[in-house]
Amino acid sequence: DQQVKQNSPSLSVQEGRISILNCDYTNSMFDYFLWYKKYPAEGPTFLISISSIKDKNEDGRFTVFLNKSAKHLSLHIVPSQPGDSAVYFCAASARETSGSRLTFGEGTQLTVNP
Amino acid sequence: EAGVAQSPRYKIIEKRQSVAFWCNPISGHATLYWYQQILGQGPKLLIQFQNNGVVDDSQLPKDRFSAERLKGVDSTLKIQPAKLEDSAVYLCASSLIPWGGGYNEQFFGPGTRLTVL
Repeated sequence: DQQVKQNSPSLSVQEGRISILNCDYTNSMFDYFLWYKKYPAEGPTFLISISSIKDKNEDGRFTVFLNKSAKHLSLHIVPSQPGDSAVYFCAASARETSGSRLTFGEGTQLTVNP
Repeated sequence: EAGVAQSPRYKIIEKRQSVAFWCNPISGHATLYWYQQILGQGPKLLIQFQNNGVVDDSQLPKDRFSAERLKGVDSTLKIQPAKLEDSAVYLCASSLIPWGGGYNEQFFGPGTRLTVL
């Protein structure tokens, strides 16, 4: 039962353009959502998060949007830079019922071309 | 500040053999997590410790996997005996304080890549 899905295994964009990574979830108990970034041979690093009481959170070039009715969230990176090339994981937590357990999506490989 | 340390970084074993992974979390972090990441999938939580007690091991295959965190600091994850489907990256993460209110960021180590032949 894949509760968090990232349907695009890969995405390629030009430097300076917008990157949009998508994530869908099925568990209505999820109330906190996170994006992690992972470079090869390294562990994932936290990028940005959003609580279910918000629909947008922005941090520099990174913005996460949450559409609760559609059970969908997206990560926007503007402008994209070659150093953003990495695997991006969407993760979700149901804090009331599962504490700090994170459920991850499969990941999307982002490639930003110079 | 030193990050989460894991060893070994790579391990190749044959099926039915045993293997152990070691994790040293960030100093002062009370919570420690072990994740399994199979190729093409996201990390899946295996077990979570709060100091030296187990908080969540609902997704740990207990017939072959075991983990301990005896003094509330370092942790080891063991697989005995290994199966082909255990081939994965095993990630250790730690966070400062227990869950409560806002999010407590999990810091990940580089992982141990296990190949079972």
